[in-house]
Amino acid sequence: QQQVKQSPQSLIVQKGGISIINCAYENTAFDYFPWYQQFPGKGPALLIAIRPDVSEKKEGRFTISFNKSAKQFSLHIMDSQPGDSATYFCAARLYQLTFGKGTKLSVIP
Amino acid sequence: EAGVTQFPSHSVIEKGQTVTLRCDPISGHDNLYWYRRVMGKEIKFLLHFVKESKQDESGMPNNRFLAERTGGTYSTLKVQPAELEDSGVYFCASSQEIGLRQFFGPGTRLTVL
Repeated sequence: QQQVKQSPQSLIVQKGGISIINCAYENTAFDYFPWYQQFPGKGPALLIAIRPDVSEKKEGRFTISFNKSAKQFSLHIMDSQPGDSATYFCAARLYQLTFGKGTKLSVIP
Repeated sequence: EAGVTQFPSHSVIEKGQTVTLRCDPISGHDNLYWYRRVMGKEIKFLLHFVKESKQDESGMPNNRFLAERTGGTYSTLKVQPAELEDSGVYFCASSQEIGLRQFFGPGTRLTVL
């Protein structure tokens, strides 16, 4: 049973475009929703996170949008750059983190 | 500040052999977690230590896996005997607060032949 569903599996975006990755969850008891960024050969690194009482959080070019009623949250990367090419994981916390399957983002020049 | 370190970075063993993975968390982080990612799948939680105590080991697949954290510092994860389905990348993470702001190590890629 997958409690956090992430889409798309892969994404190709032109440089300067907007990258959007979506996640949906089932358990309404989740209380913390982080996004992790992973480059090849490295471990996942915390990118940005949100609590369910907030509808949006922005840090630089990265924004989380959170829809509590729909049980969905998404990561928007504005002005996407080739250096953003990585695998992105959404996650949700009850006591421990439950991860989505990941999205491989490629930003092409 | 040093990050989370893991050793070895890669391990290739034969089915039936034993492997021990090591994780050194960030200094001062009482919480230490082990995760595993099988290729193409999600990162799955294995277990959580608070200092030297196992807080939650609900994700451990079976009794072939043994995790320890003696003295509340580094941790080891032993797989004995290894099976083909144990192949994957094993990540260790640490945090100050339970579940929040977890810092991940680079992982150990385990291949069981």
